[in-house]
Amino acid sequence: DGGITQSPKYLFRKEGQNVTLSCEQNLNHDAMYWYRQDPGQGLRLIYYSQIVNDFQKGDIAEGYSVSREKKESFPLTVTSAQKNPTAFYLCASRDSDKYEQYFGPGTRLTVT
Amino acid sequence: AQTVTQSQPEMSVQEAETVTLSCTYDTSESNYYLFWYKQPPSRQMILVIRQEAYKQQNATENRFSVNFQKAAKSFSLKISDSQLGDTAMYFCAFMRLYNFNKFYFGSGTKLNVKP
Repeated sequence: DGGITQSPKYLFRKEGQNVTLSCEQNLNHDAMYWYRQDPGQGLRLIYYSQIVNDFQKGDIAEGYSVSREKKESFPLTVTSAQKNPTAFYLCASRDSDKYEQYFGPGTRLTVT
Repeated sequence: AQTVTQSQPEMSVQEAETVTLSCTYDTSESNYYLFWYKQPPSRQMILVIRQEAYKQQNATENRFSVNFQKAAKSFSLKISDSQLGDTAMYFCAFMRLYNFNKFYFGSGTKLNVKP
């Protein structure tokens, strides 16, 4: 069954700690994306990757970092430099032919 | 920069009735894609419908159809025979075909379907 998995579903961290959110896809998609969603708001782009070993900053990249060592995986690290890290994070991959994005179930990160 | 505007933060509709959600966008490009995504309380984002800008024919998917007005930069979603399961946040999205296929999302419309 093809799809995108994100783990864990809920994550709790203390302020000042870095935390890595996992995103794995078996859809054989080249492009992958990370979004942040705050209550009552739309999705804001953090980082995106068109291909392995290449990625670009989105609109709100400060305080975040990514890697793309494998086609299937696009982990996001929320660093201690991110001032307001508590949010819902969504990972997506894009079909090259139809340009449709497919989303994972999301990770709710709470930093206290 | 591309912007996507959804001017209706919240809407309600009775079960079995029809409702239309509005979306406008701003771009100087001629080739692009438009999407409607649904986010139910589970928060899983689900693709509802897709429209290619070069196609004049409006896309339809079962009870869901769009009214795409390219000159007016308008992309509304019509839901016919509304069902309780349609209760969700609906996001309009614009994707440019160039510059790494970035997506731009609107702020969403919360749709409540009442029994």
